[in-house]
Amino acid sequence: SQQGEEDPQALSIQEGENATMNCSYKTSINNLQWYRQNSGRGLVHLILIRSNEREKHSGRLRVTLDTSKKSSSLLITASRAADTASYFCATDGKTSYDKVIFGPGTSLSVIP
Amino acid sequence: DGGITQSPKYLFRKEGQNVTLSCEQNLNHDAMYWYRQDPGQGLRLIYYSQIVNDFQKGDIAEGYSVSREKKESFPLTVTSAQKNPTAFYLCASSIKTGDNYGYTFGSGTRLTVV
Repeated sequence: SQQGEEDPQALSIQEGENATMNCSYKTSINNLQWYRQNSGRGLVHLILIRSNEREKHSGRLRVTLDTSKKSSSLLITASRAADTASYFCATDGKTSYDKVIFGPGTSLSVIP
Repeated sequence: DGGITQSPKYLFRKEGQNVTLSCEQNLNHDAMYWYRQDPGQGLRLIYYSQIVNDFQKGDIAEGYSVSREKKESFPLTVTSAQKNPTAFYLCASSIKTGDNYGYTFGSGTRLTVV
């Protein structure tokens, strides 16, 4: 399976701190995506990083990708209470049909 | 604003009943997807469609059916053959399958068997 697995399963931090979530996957990929899901809502696309990229930034988000270790990390700097959500990584595969597989997610709680 | 609309937000199904979940998009996306999410778990792919009048089974298609008669619409029917249908259902679209622009998701339908 090429499924991504996020780590940790749950994370609780104080507002203003940085939050780091990790994602590991099993097979070669074309790209890796991170999504956020607020409770009871749909997923929101945050950032996509391609297999030939090592780091990408978007506002307070920083994503890294290490294809040799088959892992990615999502860093949220200066967290806010509004960042409280579940975060999912999603990977595709280097086949003709690029099926996107979602991991089980990391539940982040930011305490005001 | 462009987006994906799922309806209803909440749906209750009696044993042995078929129910249909609606998904409409005005993003002009070619590809559409249905996912199922169970508590504390990731998303599992039920069906996807790359183009009108064509669709493919995902990982957990048994007990579900879909149609794609229009580009904008991709309804999902949960049939009585689906033994454990209580879950959160998410519809998504992308410009095309395998693209590098990510998915746009609807806000979901929560289905409960009563």
